[in-house]
Amino acid sequence: GQQLNQSPQSMFIQEGEDVSMNCTSSSIFNTWLWYKQDPGEGPVLLIALYKAGELTSNGRLTAQFGITRKDSFLNISASIPSDVGIYFCAGQLNTGTASKLTFGTGTRLQVTL
Amino acid sequence: NAGVTQTPKFRVLKTGQSMTLLCAQDMNHEYMYWYRQDPGMGLRLIHYSVGEGTTAKGEVPDGYNVSRLKKQNFLLGLESAAPSQTSVYFCASSYGDHRVVYGYTFGSGTRLTVV
Repeated sequence: GQQLNQSPQSMFIQEGEDVSMNCTSSSIFNTWLWYKQDPGEGPVLLIALYKAGELTSNGRLTAQFGITRKDSFLNISASIPSDVGIYFCAGQLNTGTASKLTFGTGTRLQVTL
Repeated sequence: NAGVTQTPKFRVLKTGQSMTLLCAQDMNHEYMYWYRQDPGMGLRLIHYSVGEGTTAKGEVPDGYNVSRLKKQNFLLGLESAAPSQTSVYFCASSYGDHRVVYGYTFGSGTRLTVV
């Protein structure tokens, strides 16, 4: 089935550094969502994007909906230890039936002091 | 503010046993979903429902059945568990339509091991 290419797969950064990750697809999406998952928990929504070119912030997080509607990126500024986790992108195709999402395989973020 | 609640949180089954996973949401969402998460595979859709009394197959439906008798509940059944069904299962709910999705919320997961 449809998969999103998410990169990088993992990142090791120092506290205070900025982080950037992205997702690309061969298909056009109506919606892009970014989630964070902590160990033993379900994904938690960070940012939702609904229009091509849209740039949205949530605290230190900023995400953009690519103008081609086939990509999105997430930036985290001034990382802190609690940013550790797995970040997933998800896109919604115009399926005509229900709001099904396609997920990336995740970016594992490790923050060192 | 319970959101999406999944029970049980952990379960160990023997091959061939059956079980039902329960998902409940209190947000009056129309759509509900069951995903499985495996290492390196991301989240894959098993079945979904667009409303009470309706269900549909997702990406990996084989070996699973679902029912949505009430709007707030979505049940996932394994009739004869196999080791390949060892995974973490997530339920989610949302509202919106086929063009735009809102409020896509996940439960905290059920970790199932089949031995």
